[in-house]
Amino acid sequence: DTEVTQTPKHLVMGMTNKKSLKCEQHMGHRAMYWYKQKAKKPPELMFVYSYEKLSINESVPSRFSPECPNSSLLNLHLHALQPEDSALYLCASSQARQRLTSNYGYTFGSGTRLTVV
Amino acid sequence: RKEVEQDPGPFNVPEGATVAFNCTYSNSASQSFFWYRQDCRKEPKLLMSVYSSGNEDGRFTAQLNRASQYISLLIRDSKLSDSATYLCVVKDSQAGTALIFGKGTTLSVSS
Repeated sequence: DTEVTQTPKHLVMGMTNKKSLKCEQHMGHRAMYWYKQKAKKPPELMFVYSYEKLSINESVPSRFSPECPNSSLLNLHLHALQPEDSALYLCASSQARQRLTSNYGYTFGSGTRLTVV
Repeated sequence: RKEVEQDPGPFNVPEGATVAFNCTYSNSASQSFFWYRQDCRKEPKLLMSVYSSGNEDGRFTAQLNRASQYISLLIRDSKLSDSATYLCVVKDSQAGTALIFGKGTTLSVSS
């Protein structure tokens, strides 16, 4: 299994809703990432998990709450979002132990397209 | 975090043309370099890694100049299917194992 699976593929939520995005991989990767991508912009790093521990939080607002319940799963809990949070949310995974010079592969999921109304 | 800069594009070329994209990175600690391709409303996919010695994959050639902190991608004999956004990507020590993306250059190949 060489895929990263994200669910749901599309999500529309109100500003008072609570929802969760899910990401799953079975490649034995111990590093997992959340990226946010707005239209016509590059992906922007949000969070990095390494060995199920949060290692990087790129000053993301607290209305986004990541969770890594085990080595295969990564969640992003959403609460009280704003319309400007509408974007494509991408999950990715990779080997956690890699030399900085390695060109080790990363695998991206197909993303969740989120619309906040 | 310092940035990865790319040609803004868009590049509109006819089939069969040769097109070159450039990218510069400002963090000299950056150690790994990639070109990713992203189709409209799809996830980014690795096109090729970039090495100091240069590397070629079919019609695609990537070059890295560490002294100038400059990366390039050359596409020869462009095909309609090459139309996409090409993202210059680096991995540096500040981001751990994460990838940092440039803004991307859009290529449109027409018949």
